[in-house]
Amino acid sequence: SQQGEEDPQALSIQEGENATMNCSYKTSINNLQWYRQNSGRGLVHLILIRSNEREKHSGRLRVTLDTSKKSSSLLITASRAADTASYFCAGSGAGSYQLTFGKGTKLSVIP
Amino acid sequence: GAGVSQTPSNKVTEKGKYVELRCDPISGHTALYWYRQSLGQGPEFLIYFQGTGAADDSGLPNDRFFAVRPEGSVSTLKIQRTERGDSAVYLCASSRGLAVYNEQFFGPGTRLTVL
Repeated sequence: SQQGEEDPQALSIQEGENATMNCSYKTSINNLQWYRQNSGRGLVHLILIRSNEREKHSGRLRVTLDTSKKSSSLLITASRAADTASYFCAGSGAGSYQLTFGKGTKLSVIP
Repeated sequence: GAGVSQTPSNKVTEKGKYVELRCDPISGHTALYWYRQSLGQGPEFLIYFQGTGAADDSGLPNDRFFAVRPEGSVSTLKIQRTERGDSAVYLCASSRGLAVYNEQFFGPGTRLTVL
């Protein structure tokens, strides 16, 4: 079963625009991690946000977490063509260290 | 090494054969995880280790799948009597330890194709 569910499934924007991807999850989490994946291979870790945090920044990335709504969002500002990839959220639940992933959002940034 | 490495990067085998996939975690990381990812899906958990022992193998789909980590570093995922449905990208990750706030860092994966 999938913990996270990303929305939208696909997103196409112009270079320089902001991209927002959303993630909803089903059960309580200890933390939520966001990853980027190029060409269906290795995942690059972007940000981990703890369940007691509401917002976190890293460079052009901003992640928010709303545990009352069981949702998170990833904002990429001033997008670049190199940001083209699939983005996944993954939750780690109580008593477990495994990550449960959604299906991902496929982002295309058009130069 | 600087990151998680996995070998081979690609493996093509015939139905019924045995395969081994290797993962070399980040130096000093005691926790190691295996996931597999089918086309168009997110990764799905298989098993994780803390040190040499499998702490949770609840994601292994059946008894054809087995993983070991004899010295607490390199791990091998073993698949017996492969089936076409086993075709996927097998991903390995490692983290500093088993703690709820530890990031998991992934390797490039092994693409397994069963003909």
